[in-house]
Amino acid sequence: AQKITQTQPGMFVQEKEAVTLDCTYDTSDQSYGLFWYKQPSSGEMIFLIYQGSYDEQNATEGRYSLNFQKARKSANLVISASQLGDSAMYFCAMREHLNRDDKIIFGKGTRLHILP
Amino acid sequence: DAGVTQSPTHLIKTRGQQVTLRCSPKSGHDTVSWYQQALGQGPQFIFQYYEEEERQRGNFPDRFSGHQFPNYSSELNVNALLLGDSALYLCASRTTRGRPGELFFGEGSRLTVL
Repeated sequence: AQKITQTQPGMFVQEKEAVTLDCTYDTSDQSYGLFWYKQPSSGEMIFLIYQGSYDEQNATEGRYSLNFQKARKSANLVISASQLGDSAMYFCAMREHLNRDDKIIFGKGTRLHILP
Repeated sequence: DAGVTQSPTHLIKTRGQQVTLRCSPKSGHDTVSWYQQALGQGPQFIFQYYEEEERQRGNFPDRFSGHQFPNYSSELNVNALLLGDSALYLCASRTTRGRPGELFFGEGSRLTVL
């Protein structure tokens, strides 16, 4: 069963607008972590933001925020004031159990295009 | 402070051959994970090593094997290569002392199987 679902294969957004990238997840664990990574065309994966399942506040990192809705099992990434350099693939990821040997699994990604 | 380094960056093999990919984790990191990323797809988890042991394994056949050395570096071996093994192979390292679950990725080894 798919653990991480990203339903938007691609998005086009005007520069300076805010953008929301959708992510839903599936787990029966109470302790888990959710992440977003960015992959520019150069190929490297860049960590953006982390949300723990017990965190009461939504995570924020600069222009990135994670809209965490636990009951709906969604963890959407919000990018405020988008920039041309935000054009990239974005992956939602999850880590279950949060123990020593757990693994991190990724969704299929959303390709974001920022238009000038 | 060197990040995660992988070698080789590109390689071409033919069906049935064997390949070894290498990874040096970021300084201070003790856990290494390997991912396969097909074109236009998300990274697929292959396996994870800690203390020289395979701790977790994804849905990959036994043709995929690995090793972690005492200095935390790691190798990924793929035997009897198939056309479908063509992909970008990413190595990622982490430490329990950093931000939870933050993985540091190398630039990958792009494997083409002809």
